[in-house]
Amino acid sequence: DAKTTQPTSMDCAEGRAANLPCNHSTISGNEYVYWYRQIHSQGPQYIIHGLKNNETNEMASLIITEDRKSSTLILPHATLRDTAVYYCIVSSTLGRLYFGRGTQLTVWP
Amino acid sequence: DTEVTQTPKHLVMGMTNKKSLKCEQHMGHRAMYWYKQKAKKPPELMFVYSYEKLSINESVPSRFSPECPNSSLLNLHLHALQPEDSALYLCASSQPDRDPETQYFGPGTRLLVL
Repeated sequence: DAKTTQPTSMDCAEGRAANLPCNHSTISGNEYVYWYRQIHSQGPQYIIHGLKNNETNEMASLIITEDRKSSTLILPHATLRDTAVYYCIVSSTLGRLYFGRGTQLTVWP
Repeated sequence: DTEVTQTPKHLVMGMTNKKSLKCEQHMGHRAMYWYKQKAKKPPELMFVYSYEKLSINESVPSRFSPECPNSSLLNLHLHALQPEDSALYLCASSQPDRDPETQYFGPGTRLLVL
């Protein structure tokens, strides 16, 4: 599975959009991009996934570049409860999710 | 219902004890997983069960013994653990015949080995 690169940490003001980048330059054609987040001491929570097209759900939007080598997770109106570690994972092998170190997002009032 | 439950929430055990962690889901998922997460590190995959059969063992020491008694339950039996096995143990489930295979996680069991 392709590896991902994310910034170690990011800050965002409450109410503003949080844009979390992820590089996955070695992604293969059949690999999906998943985003999970983990609030302190809780289990990871699925946010969104995509293959080629941009995706949106009630939690976030996922923007994938045309060459699929990078993506951005967008939380449109960040709240204090969005403070968490956000993991970008690229995977095609069913049943295997390999987590990188993720991005610690801190939302401040 | 997208809930995965894990018991107990916390567990303290000695190195000679035998204990078990339990995981349950009622989403009809036929794949279940154990992950281990050390402090300030990402989760690491340990075992995968697919249709109640062990399909992946990520070279986990034999002092960890998984069991899948039915499609809703997953156990992790612990014996002769070491202090370095102290961690958050996470269970997850997914449906194998869906593409992609989104995993849903439980809250974890925080284990301390003394």
